[in-house]
Amino acid sequence: DQQVKQNSPSLSVQEGRISILNCDYTNSMFDYFLWYKKYPAEGPTFLISISSIKDKNEDGRFTVFLNKSAKHLSLHIVPSQPGDSAVYFCAASGQTSYDKVIFGPGTSLSVIP
Amino acid sequence: DGGITQSPKYLFRKEGQNVTLSCEQNLNHDAMYWYRQDPGQGLRLIYYSQIVNDFQKGDIAEGYSVSREKKESFPLTVTSAQKNPTAFYLCATAGVGINTDTQYFGPGTRLTVL
Repeated sequence: DQQVKQNSPSLSVQEGRISILNCDYTNSMFDYFLWYKKYPAEGPTFLISISSIKDKNEDGRFTVFLNKSAKHLSLHIVPSQPGDSAVYFCAASGQTSYDKVIFGPGTSLSVIP
Repeated sequence: DGGITQSPKYLFRKEGQNVTLSCEQNLNHDAMYWYRQDPGQGLRLIYYSQIVNDFQKGDIAEGYSVSREKKESFPLTVTSAQKNPTAFYLCATAGVGINTDTQYFGPGTRLTVL
């Protein structure tokens, strides 16, 4: 049973527009959420995270929103650039590193020039 | 240079042979992880270790074995019992403690079993 879901396997966006990647989770004990970006044949790169005590975290063009009541988070990329084309993984974990990090299946983002 | 090293980047083996994938880190991280990625799928946890000389099975440990004799090293052996070993293997590390769940990944090893 998937605890972290990314229901859109792929997404295409025009350069300069906003990209919105969605993620849903089922375990209410998750306390910490992360987004990773992955290019083909490379390891994932940490992008941005958010703790459950916040509902928004911003880092440059990347913003993550968390709606705990809906068990939903989203990653916004504004403006989208061709170099953002990659697979994005949503991940979630409990309060400490002793809890496993659970990854979603990923969403492949294509930013069209 | 600080980081996580996985070698080799590409590995080919004949069916029925055991193969060991290397993962070395100099980040002084306590926790280390092995994941497997298959086309169109997310990352699936094989084994993880929070401390030297201790490790736990992940979600798909069957057909794999690990050791953690040193903090810096967490090699993964893909045994002949693993039914579908061809995949992209990723090693990751993390600090240990509250809100240090951010995992840092190595470049990965692509294993192809012929």
